[in-house]
Amino acid sequence: GAGVSQTPSNKVTEKGKYVELRCDPISGHTALYWYRQSLGQGPEFLIYFQGTGAADDSGLPNDRFFAVRPEGSVSTLKIQRTERGDSAVYLCASSFRTGDEQFFGPGTRLTVL
Amino acid sequence: DQQVKQNSPSLSVQEGRISILNCDYTNSMFDYFLWYKKYPAEGPTFLISISSIKDKNEDGRFTVFLNKSAKHLSLHIVPSQPGDSAVYFCAAKDSGTYKYIFGTGTRLKVLA
Repeated sequence: GAGVSQTPSNKVTEKGKYVELRCDPISGHTALYWYRQSLGQGPEFLIYFQGTGAADDSGLPNDRFFAVRPEGSVSTLKIQRTERGDSAVYLCASSFRTGDEQFFGPGTRLTVL
Repeated sequence: DQQVKQNSPSLSVQEGRISILNCDYTNSMFDYFLWYKKYPAEGPTFLISISSIKDKNEDGRFTVFLNKSAKHLSLHIVPSQPGDSAVYFCAAKDSGTYKYIFGTGTRLKVLA
């Protein structure tokens, strides 16, 4: 069975541009999490979904960041007016239910020039 | 304010010996702790977890110890193998949420 997949694997953009990062969770997993990992740091929680709804978005750093999961499966993390400080690896994880073991994808490396 | 701290950025251990990775936390409301292992260019992989109502959990070569009074947990790997070389993260969950807080990681190198 396929694991969590994330596309693109690498994204280079210019300051001020808009980017979308996609996460395909494991089929049947109801919970989906987004994290951001900067160099030398651990994953930093951004948001998690239970089904289609965002159950906790307290980790989103500001209103330039937004995430959706319209059909309760694939999720997209959207970043508007990117800044150089947004450069990081963005990790997605899914679990069968909230609180179960999380399975991580390989991440998307975002570089903002 | 780092609620979960891994103060050793790196650790080297001889193959066959014990590896001990440490993690300290500050939030007494954390009720669930996990260890993840991460290889380069891959996402973290779950290793082992422990609930705050326990002080030890064992799974094969991996044992996690929790000392609530000291707000300290440790991961023991016995015997260490070269394939264990990776970055290890501890993570904690606040009761009533499913928001996981990660430490900064410890890079373990097991020498053959």
